Amino acid sequence: EVQLVESGGGLVQPGRSLRLSCTASGFTFGDYAMSWVRQAPGKGLEWVGFIRSKAYGGTTEYAASVKGRFTISRDDSKSIAYLQMNSLKTEDTAVYYCTRGSMDYWGQGTLVTVSS
Amino acid sequence: SYELTQPSSVSVSPGQTARITCSGDVLAKKYARWFQQKPGQAPVLVIYKDSERPSGIPERFSGSSSGTTVTLTISGAQVEDEADYYCYSAADKGVFGGGTKLTVL
Repeated sequence: EVQLVESGGGLVQPGRSLRLSCTASGFTFGDYAMSWVRQAPGKGLEWVGFIRSKAYGGTTEYAASVKGRFTISRDDSKSIAYLQMNSLKTEDTAVYYCTRGSMDYWGQGTLVTVSS
Repeated sequence: SYELTQPSSVSVSPGQTARITCSGDVLAKKYARWFQQKPGQAPVLVIYKDSERPSGIPERFSGSSSGTTVTLTISGAQVEDEADYYCYSAADKGVFGGGTKLTVL
């Protein structure tokens, strides 16, 4: 059974950093791109970015709203994708989801609250 | 950058056909996916590659494409289909539509 479990969310002050993890199981993690999607309270879905599989270079793409502040990485040996978030802003407050490949599987999400 | 436009809400009675559209220039070149999201839950993929249905998704869900518009059709909508629906597409970057609240009552 495919499972994605996000962790690392919480309350953080503006300007600080936070790292989210997405632990995968039930499939060959290294064969898939992994994406991050967020949803601010009461708002719609927003694509954050993704990391390609090593077979496609392991390169990353980001939304303009987070480029230069957020970094996605992966550890295929541990089946974990990461979202490093720096210089956090109040508008980054959201539930953050990780998704597999074509977004056929999603985690349950982890809440990040940026507030002083 | 590019964007996808959806109606904010659609309302149908049970058993009727619900159609939700999504428009954007990127759709002329790239496939769309559709996601269903119920309150407090993670999104669920219901359509990919414009019209393909993942296993486990009821046959009443279908998708179509014409030019820069894709359409999600729910034939014989059920009360349990009431949810928010989002289209998505990606060129070098991904983008979601603003979402459509489907009411079935």
